[in-house]
Amino acid sequence: DIVLTQTPLSSPVTLGQPASISCRSSQSLVHSDGNTYLSWLQQRPGQPPRLLIYKISNRFSGVPDRFSGGGAGTDFTLKISRVEAEDVGVYYCMQTTQLPLTFGQGTKVEIK
Amino acid sequence: QVQLQESGPGLVKPSGTLSLTCAVFGVSISSNNWWSWIRLPPGKGLEWIGEIYHSGSTNYNPSLKSRVTLSVDKSNNQVSLKVSSVTAADTATYYCARVHGGYEDRWGQGTQVTVSS
Repeated sequence: DIVLTQTPLSSPVTLGQPASISCRSSQSLVHSDGNTYLSWLQQRPGQPPRLLIYKISNRFSGVPDRFSGGGAGTDFTLKISRVEAEDVGVYYCMQTTQLPLTFGQGTKVEIK
Repeated sequence: QVQLQESGPGLVKPSGTLSLTCAVFGVSISSNNWWSWIRLPPGKGLEWIGEIYHSGSTNYNPSLKSRVTLSVDKSNNQVSLKVSSVTAADTATYYCARVHGGYEDRWGQGTQVTVSS
């Protein structure tokens, strides 16, 4: 199975300041079709997971542009340019390149 | 707007079978999408259970494969999950999700299942 390792696991952030989460894969996530199926999910308290970013850097419908994704191969990053109160929650990276699908451990973003 | 809604018993006895349903609204279950089940045990991370296509084709997580069955009910536009021989380790919030373009783009609200006598 592909192992996804997220850092940090906890990220206290001041409102209006940036935040960054790293996701490292145990093997390349480039699919045979040329795409890299690395997604980022947000789970607010008491809510289901919500897709933020798909295929490394594509923002899903309705996702604010303060969220951005980047990276390639085995190293990926989610950035929040200016953290807002509604961004509190747990963020997961997820790979759908290879079965079984796997997730990072989750990074808890909280306000200082 | 695509919506998914999980339902089922919130309490299951050890060694019993957990049975959940995911009703899909706004899109046909027979459209070109796979339908995925994922769970979140308390205090742990997300775990992929498996996925099913409307034809009945399935992919399962090897860690659960021997105990999991996915099925499609086209007449009611829903998918179902069964997990047999449950233990306390199967206590979790269970989510269904649509797989579109190679990623899980729409998620249900989730349903909490506790395994306890």
